[in-house]
Amino acid sequence: KAGVTQTPRYLIKTRGQQVTLSCSPISGHRSVSWYQQTPGQGLQFLFEYFSETQRNKGNFPGRFSGRQFSNSRSEMNVSTLELGDSALYLCASSFDRPDEKLFFGSGTQLSVL
Amino acid sequence: KNEVEQSPQNLTAQEGEFITINCSYSVGISALHWLQQHPGGGIVSLFMLSSGKKKHGRLIATINIQEKHSSLHITASHPRDSAVYICAVRQGAQKLVFGQGTRLTINP
Repeated sequence: KAGVTQTPRYLIKTRGQQVTLSCSPISGHRSVSWYQQTPGQGLQFLFEYFSETQRNKGNFPGRFSGRQFSNSRSEMNVSTLELGDSALYLCASSFDRPDEKLFFGSGTQLSVL
Repeated sequence: KNEVEQSPQNLTAQEGEFITINCSYSVGISALHWLQQHPGGGIVSLFMLSSGKKKHGRLIATINIQEKHSSLHITASHPRDSAVYICAVRQGAQKLVFGQGTRLTINP
């Protein structure tokens, strides 16, 4: 069974640009959550989707958005990139309930220059 | 004060030693996760606890709901256990809140 797949693995952007990251969950998993990891702040929750609906949202500005498609694949978008958005972005999937075991992707390393 | 506090932040030990990493939280929770992150970024979920104790191989996780405290133990530690261990809690259906992580180094 394939694991959680995140694309791209690395990304370099400049300030002011926008970026879209993709996450394909494990087959059959309907919950997808996104996280930002930086050396200074550690891991922080971005948002969580279940059956195409946003179930939870973290404390991030509106520049950060996401969506989930009917096949449970999810995308997150960051508009008007800032230097501080440089981070490892991780997604995780679980079957149904948010308190089930999470399966993480390898992440997308975003560098904003 | 962070909602989730881990101790120690860094831990270095010799191969074979018994390791304990602690996690304290300040809110009522529905679940607590222990995660392992190796260099390169990949995160593996080790345990998800809502009560009691779980064991998987050389790893043991316990949680005391009344004291709002969880511990992760590693028996017979090995250099391949070197990683960052992260505690995360969920309150009801709310977002996951993470501890700052414990960097473990096991020397041969």
